[in-house]
Amino acid sequence: NAGVMQNPRHLVRRRGQEARLRCSPMKGHSHVYWYRQLPEEGLKFMVYLQKENIIDESGMPKERFSAEFPKEGPSILRIQQVVRGDSAAYFCASSPLGASSTDTQYFGPGTRLTVL
Amino acid sequence: RKEVEQDPGPFNVPEGATVAFNCTYSNSASQSFFWYRQDCRKEPKLLMSVYSSGNEDGRFTAQLNRASQYISLLIRDSKLSDSATYLCVVNNGNNRLAFGKGNQVVVIP
Repeated sequence: NAGVMQNPRHLVRRRGQEARLRCSPMKGHSHVYWYRQLPEEGLKFMVYLQKENIIDESGMPKERFSAEFPKEGPSILRIQQVVRGDSAAYFCASSPLGASSTDTQYFGPGTRLTVL
Repeated sequence: RKEVEQDPGPFNVPEGATVAFNCTYSNSASQSFFWYRQDCRKEPKLLMSVYSSGNEDGRFTAQLNRASQYISLLIRDSKLSDSATYLCVVNNGNNRLAFGKGNQVVVIP
């Protein structure tokens, strides 16, 4: 049973370019979460999605960031016009149910974004 | 005030010794609590959930004190492989996890 998959594992972009990060949840999981970890910082919640629905985007920056989880295919975190401050590790997690607060979230290996 | 606060350390621990550390959380309505382990440049992995009655998993013991809003982790008989950063994690509702910066543990031979 494959775990949470993320790609690419490493992504280098120049300022002003777009970054697309992909996440495939564990088999049987329909709830996806995105977190960002800045250097020397803890993980920060960004967004919680179910298929075709954004449940909670309270942690998303107001501009340039968007996320989706389409009916088919992986979840996508999109960052437009990247700036150096976007350089971070972006982790995706998934859970099976989502309704219970005790659901364990399983994390993918992360995408390390570097903005030059 | 941060949602979850941890003393980052590092905690240098002789092999075979016991190490313990706490974290505090700010939201009294927090619903569930976890310790995750994160190795350098890797993803967090669940170590254990934390229950009000306290729970133990092998050499690891976790405690929750809701009145004082702190969570503890104790590691007995430390192994070299225990070297990692231990993340205190709180679910504040809607599955929105709040992470501390982590306690860095270095087990020394």
